[in-house]
Amino acid sequence: EAQVTQNPRYLITVTGKKLTVTCSQNMNHEYMSWYRQDPGLGLRQIYYSMNVEVTDKGDVPEGYKVSRKEKRNFPLILESPSPNQTSLYFCASSSLGLARSYEQYFGPGTRLTVT
Amino acid sequence: GNSVTQMEGPVTLSEEAFLTINCTYTATGYPSLFWYVQYPGEGLQLLLKATKADDKGSNKGFEATYRKETTSFHLEKGSVQVSDSAVYFCALSDPIYNFNKFYFGSGTKLNVKP
Repeated sequence: EAQVTQNPRYLITVTGKKLTVTCSQNMNHEYMSWYRQDPGLGLRQIYYSMNVEVTDKGDVPEGYKVSRKEKRNFPLILESPSPNQTSLYFCASSSLGLARSYEQYFGPGTRLTVT
Repeated sequence: GNSVTQMEGPVTLSEEAFLTINCTYTATGYPSLFWYVQYPGEGLQLLLKATKADDKGSNKGFEATYRKETTSFHLEKGSVQVSDSAVYFCALSDPIYNFNKFYFGSGTKLNVKP
């Protein structure tokens, strides 16, 4: 089954404790992206990656890091989480076959709470 | 810059009613436009898309037409069902500015009552 998986689905942590949210896709997609969803703000793009070792900032990259060492994986790293990073996070992937009409496939989301 | 504005929800309708969810956008070039749907507890799924002016995207009875003159991409459905209850997001990517970046609206929650 074609899918994007994220782990963990739920995470409660404390300020300053480094954490990683994993994302993996089995569709051989070149493009992967991270979003955060906050009430009233919709989805905002954190980082994206066009392919292995190619990443770039979205609109809200501060406080986050990413890496793309393998095509299927795109982990999101919070080196020193703060309460304002409490949010619902989504990973997405897409083929680059038709540049103007990307269909992104989304993971189920990770709900992060930072106390 | 690029942005997407959606009508605020929630929108509450009775089954078989007509649905319109307004979406307007600001973009530096000629964006591709999308509607995504999010069912409770799930990730987003692409509902429909349009990549150039006057294109009409359609899927599962939903339609939206890319109107460049009014910078709009309103979502419509002639007869909603309870199963359409979800949050709907309008989104754009702008190939002139950077088609790898996506911009989403704030989402509109739809509640359909039997």
